[in-house]
Amino acid sequence: GAGVSQTPSNKVTEKGKYVELRCDPISGHTALYWYRQSLGQGPEFLIYFQGTGAADDSGLPNDRFFAVRPEGSVSTLKIQRTERGDSAVYLCASSQAGGYNEQFFGPGTRLTVL
Amino acid sequence: KNQVEQSPQSLIILEGKNCTLQCNYTVSPFSNLRWYKQDTGRGPVSLTIMTFSENTKSNGRYTATLDADTKQSSLHITASQLSDSASYICVLGGNQGGKLIFGQGTELSVKP
Repeated sequence: GAGVSQTPSNKVTEKGKYVELRCDPISGHTALYWYRQSLGQGPEFLIYFQGTGAADDSGLPNDRFFAVRPEGSVSTLKIQRTERGDSAVYLCASSQAGGYNEQFFGPGTRLTVL
Repeated sequence: KNQVEQSPQSLIILEGKNCTLQCNYTVSPFSNLRWYKQDTGRGPVSLTIMTFSENTKSNGRYTATLDADTKQSSLHITASQLSDSASYICVLGGNQGGKLIFGQGTELSVKP
């Protein structure tokens, strides 16, 4: 079956602009995660959804970052007033539920803020 | 201070050789320790998942070990192949749902 997909694969924007990143999880997976990966570093947790609700958003760096999952499937990560420091690869993962279950990652969206 | 430290930062080995990657962590408590492989430009792929009560877990040519007393884990790769060239990341899963804490990875390069 299809894996986790993310769109766009690359996004270039200017400082101060608004961007949306989309994640399509594996069908039937109730848990969805967003991570951010800077060059040469491991991914850093941002937010975790169980169904439609954000179960843990402790990794969101500030209030410019927001994520939604209105129907418990597709999720959108929204970044307002982008800054150059937001440039990174944004990874999405999904799993059958939280906790011990294996997380399957998408290919990521590379965001570049000029 | 990073909660998950990996060594070496990078490693070059010849095809067919074995290697061992190290992971030290300070995350506590945690429910599971994972090793992921990440190819350039791709998302991470799970290799092994161990609970804190397990000592070892194998997946083909990959064998992970865990010593919860010393808070150390290792990933051993046997008979390396060119396709093993990637970043290998040690990851801790805590008790707070599915949140994962990643190390910075070891960049492995297998040369012919």
